[in-house]
Amino acid sequence: QQQVKQSPQSLIVQKGGISIINCAYENTAFDYFPWYQQFPGKGPALLIAIRPDVSEKKEGRFTISFNKSAKQFSLHIMDSQPGDSATYFCAASTRGATNKLIFGTGTLLAVQP
Amino acid sequence: DAGITQSPRHKVTETGTPVTLRCHQTENHRYMYWYRQDPGHGLRLIHYSYGVKDTDKGEVSDGYSVSRSKTEDFLLTLESATSSQTSVYFCAISEPPGRLSYEQYFGPGTRLTVT
Repeated sequence: QQQVKQSPQSLIVQKGGISIINCAYENTAFDYFPWYQQFPGKGPALLIAIRPDVSEKKEGRFTISFNKSAKQFSLHIMDSQPGDSATYFCAASTRGATNKLIFGTGTLLAVQP
Repeated sequence: DAGITQSPRHKVTETGTPVTLRCHQTENHRYMYWYRQDPGHGLRLIHYSYGVKDTDKGEVSDGYSVSRSKTEDFLLTLESATSSQTSVYFCAISEPPGRLSYEQYFGPGTRLTVT
């Protein structure tokens, strides 16, 4: 049972364009929503995270938009660069006592020069 | 990789053999996690530890056991490896929820192939 659904599976964007990756969740108890970036042969690295008390968080070219009523959140990468080419994972957790993360299935982003 | 090492980094083993993967951290974080990564599934939690000798199951724990005798080390054991356990295994660490920073930091991974 997949609690966090991520789309698209893969994405091709031209340099300078906007990359958008979407996630939807089912469990209304989730209260922490991070995005991870993973390069080939490396472990995932935290990119940006949001809590449900805000609708948007921006860090540099990366923005999370959060829609609590729709149970959806998305990652926007502005001015996409070839160096952004990686796999992106959304995740969710109930911080509670264990901080267990439930991950989406990942999006392979390719930014063409 | 936030002071996290995993060993071995690559391993090929035969079906039915026992395998132990090691995660070592130098951050003194209380929580440690083992995930497996497979195409089409993202990362799935196998087991986690919330303190020395305190462990619990994740969503895909069947066929795996863990042990944590020291804060810095978290071992994942496949008692009798099967081909379905061919995967990339990641260790992660975090501070407990409630701390200002409780993000999970991941190690470099172990690629395990069971033939």
